[in-house]
Amino acid sequence: NAGVMQNPRHLVRRRGQEARLRCSPVKGHSHVYWYRQLPEEGLKFMVYLQKENIIDESGMPKERFSAEFPKEGPSILRIQQVVRGDSAAYFCASSPLLAGADTQYFGPGTRLTVL
Amino acid sequence: AQTVTQSQPEMSVQEAETVTLSCTYDTSESDYYLFWYKQPPSRQMILVIRQEAYKQQNATENRFSVNFQKAAKSFSLKISDSQLGDAAMYFCAYRTFGNEKLTFGTGTRLTIIP
Repeated sequence: NAGVMQNPRHLVRRRGQEARLRCSPVKGHSHVYWYRQLPEEGLKFMVYLQKENIIDESGMPKERFSAEFPKEGPSILRIQQVVRGDSAAYFCASSPLLAGADTQYFGPGTRLTVL
Repeated sequence: AQTVTQSQPEMSVQEAETVTLSCTYDTSESDYYLFWYKQPPSRQMILVIRQEAYKQQNATENRFSVNFQKAAKSFSLKISDSQLGDAAMYFCAYRTFGNEKLTFGTGTRLTIIP
């Protein structure tokens, strides 16, 4: 029974490059959430997706960041033209269909370093 | 906006002793959930315990229990019989019923002294 999987675990990019972070939810979970953790801080909500829909993106920066959760395949968090301030750990979480009553289960995170 | 405050950046406890981590939150909602997550050096976020605000009974999970004071908006975590494996960052988190977004505190780093 695999948990939430994220890859890569570590990603190094130079300023101006693109970063793609992948998240495979727990099998059977149809809700995915992305959070960002800056050094020495708590996690901050970015976006909440269901299959093929963005439900809440109130925590996403307006530019350069986008997220998708296609009908088939993993959820993708995409950061275009990365800057040093994007260096952080990005966590994905998933929950089952009855999300209103259930807990979010987290993946191991992707640590993004921007040089 | 909801906020979660953890006023203890660091705590330490002797192995086998009991420690309590503090958390307060601010909300105008009446239905919500509270969580404690553990983040060991591996950085994996692990759910420790959850509490539904409508339940008066405090949640317990083995050596972990909470003291939920709804009127005071306080949600502390008690760890009994502390073990070396309990060493980690502990985050308190809040979620309003019907809103999937988790709001986290800044965390408490717990050290276990052998």
